[in-house]
Amino acid sequence: DTAVSQTPKYLVTQMGNDKSIKCEQNLGHDTMYWYKQDSKKFLKIMFSYNNKELIINETVPNRFSPKSPDKAHLNLHINSLELGDSAVYFCASSQGQGFNEQFFGPGTRLTVL
Amino acid sequence: GENVEQHPSTLSVQEGDSAVIKCTYSDSASNYFPWYKQELGKRPQLIIDIRSNVGEKKDQRIAVTLNKTAKHFSLHITETQPEDSAVYFCAASKTGNQFYFGTGTSLTVIP
Repeated sequence: DTAVSQTPKYLVTQMGNDKSIKCEQNLGHDTMYWYKQDSKKFLKIMFSYNNKELIINETVPNRFSPKSPDKAHLNLHINSLELGDSAVYFCASSQGQGFNEQFFGPGTRLTVL
Repeated sequence: GENVEQHPSTLSVQEGDSAVIKCTYSDSASNYFPWYKQELGKRPQLIIDIRSNVGEKKDQRIAVTLNKTAKHFSLHITETQPEDSAVYFCAASKTGNQFYFGTGTSLTVIP
């Protein structure tokens, strides 16, 4: 059973394109996150959703737009891709807004050419 | 916002030795400090966490200590094994839904 899944696993695209990454969790969690991990392995939170509502929106360009159709899904849409967007994007989920373990997805490696 | 610093960035130890990774944080309101392990090409996974009402927590070969006054916390791995080789991240949170991660420590255990 896959707890947190992401698709696609790899994404190679040209600058200027628009792309989406999908995330689904089957843990019954109500909080989901998107993180960006750059080439230096630095993990930075981008967004946090609780019960489909945006809780945290770090300083992220508005080309990035998360969408949560339901508690189990949090998708990330990126417009007008730039070279600097190349990174591994991790989705994660946790139970509630308390101090609980985050379960990470396998990551999506985005390469912008 | 919170600023979490982590040292060292790389660490090599002989198998069986101990490894210590240190983190400092800036926001005195942070009260939850998890540690994640990320093996090469894999996702981060929680290995241990500590809340601000305790100073130390241990789980087999792994222990975490917290000094709230000095605003630093450390991960201790004893009797290291090759499978401990990975990147380790510390993190801090005060809200439970916003986590600030350190820059990671790449640990190599030499057999």
